[in-house]
Amino acid sequence: GAGVSQSPRYKVAKRGQDVALRCDPISGHVSLFWYQQALGQGPEFLTYFQNEAQLDKSGLPSDRFFAERPEGSVSTLKIQRTQQEDSAVYLCASTITAQRRETQYFGPGTRLLVL
Amino acid sequence: AQKITQTQPGMFVQEKEAVTLDCTYDTSDPSYGLFWYKQPSSGEMIFLIYQGSYDQQNATEGRYSLNFQKARKSANLVISASQLGDSAMYFCAMREHNAGGTSYGKLTFGQGTILTVHP
Repeated sequence: GAGVSQSPRYKVAKRGQDVALRCDPISGHVSLFWYQQALGQGPEFLTYFQNEAQLDKSGLPSDRFFAERPEGSVSTLKIQRTQQEDSAVYLCASTITAQRRETQYFGPGTRLLVL
Repeated sequence: AQKITQTQPGMFVQEKEAVTLDCTYDTSDPSYGLFWYKQPSSGEMIFLIYQGSYDQQNATEGRYSLNFQKARKSANLVISASQLGDSAMYFCAMREHNAGGTSYGKLTFGQGTILTVHP
């Protein structure tokens, strides 16, 4: 496929459980963004990678959230000790270059439900 | 203060009619970009149209056009000849290009407008 893919598409976790969400950006895309979308809201920025470097993590809501992109392609968003307020759709987006004018292309998202 | 405001929680339109979705924004950055995305029930964000702050003409992409009024800080989306498949959530988003020198292109989204197209 040519688009951004994310897995799993749905995840149900018990409160306190750790989860890992995966994003496969479009091949060759330099920039990668993670967003969190609560029910009925617009997406909110979490973190940004340029290749393997995490240049902006200002949107991560707590130190329970951790993201990595070790080889500059696939990225993983990890949430430790999940809480009910972490329930949301987690969206990944990528752009071909780091130019700010580039359009972000989004994946289908991972719907996380914390019980 | 809200950076992106979409004041219409829901809009209804008859098939084949035109509809305007409102968006106002707030920024002190002279260089910025405005986007509209469509989010159907499947959840994926689909890019529709882009307007740069220095672009002289309003952006158009097929049935989509952006009514950009810079002085009023508004960027309304116009969908012409609505189709049943246009029923979805629509988001306006802004990317500030300077943002204190630390902008890497992150988007700030509005709350969205749910569009329902009636046959």
